[in-house]
Amino acid sequence: DQQVKQNSPSLSVQEGRISILNCDYTNSMFDYFLWYKKYPAEGPTFLISISSIKDKNEDGRFTVFLNKSAKHLSLHIVPSQPGDSAVYFCAASVAAGNMLTFGGGTRLMVKP
Amino acid sequence: SQTIHQWPATLVQPVGSPLSLECTVEGTSNPNLYWYRQAAGRGLQLLFYSVGIGQISSEVPQNLSASRPQDRQFILSSKKLLLSDSGFYLCAREGADGANVLTFGAGSRLTVL
Repeated sequence: DQQVKQNSPSLSVQEGRISILNCDYTNSMFDYFLWYKKYPAEGPTFLISISSIKDKNEDGRFTVFLNKSAKHLSLHIVPSQPGDSAVYFCAASVAAGNMLTFGGGTRLMVKP
Repeated sequence: SQTIHQWPATLVQPVGSPLSLECTVEGTSNPNLYWYRQAAGRGLQLLFYSVGIGQISSEVPQNLSASRPQDRQFILSSKKLLLSDSGFYLCAREGADGANVLTFGAGSRLTVL
């Protein structure tokens, strides 16, 4: 049973526009969420996180939104750049410091 | 530095052969260490984690095993590889501040033929 799901395996966006990557979870005990970015043949790198006490966290072009009632989070990238083309994984844990459960990933392609 | 070293970077092995992937980490001592696998077109699957020397927990039953002979060394092994073992294997450690922002190594690409 997948507790963290990314239902869109891929997303294509024009450079300069907004990219929105979605993630749904089923475990209501999850209260800490992260986004990772992965280039081919490299390990994932941490991008941004949010705890359940917040509904929004922003870092430069990246903003993560959390809707606890819907068990849904999203990552917004504005404006999108070709260098953002990568696979994005969302992850969740029961508390900060506990094990992460990852989603299946969404491949983002930003076209020049 | 929380650098993670993984080798080999790429490996092609025949079915039934043994496997040994190594991971060494720098930085704070006694880190929690993880092995993940990314199979083709799939997400990150947690295989093993270790909270200390000789302490291994398995998340998914399979023909793989893990060992932690030293504080900063984590090894993934198999006695006989299967075709389904092909994938991208990632070693990770938890952040030094205790938060679960994992730091990943560059990965080892295994192709079983």
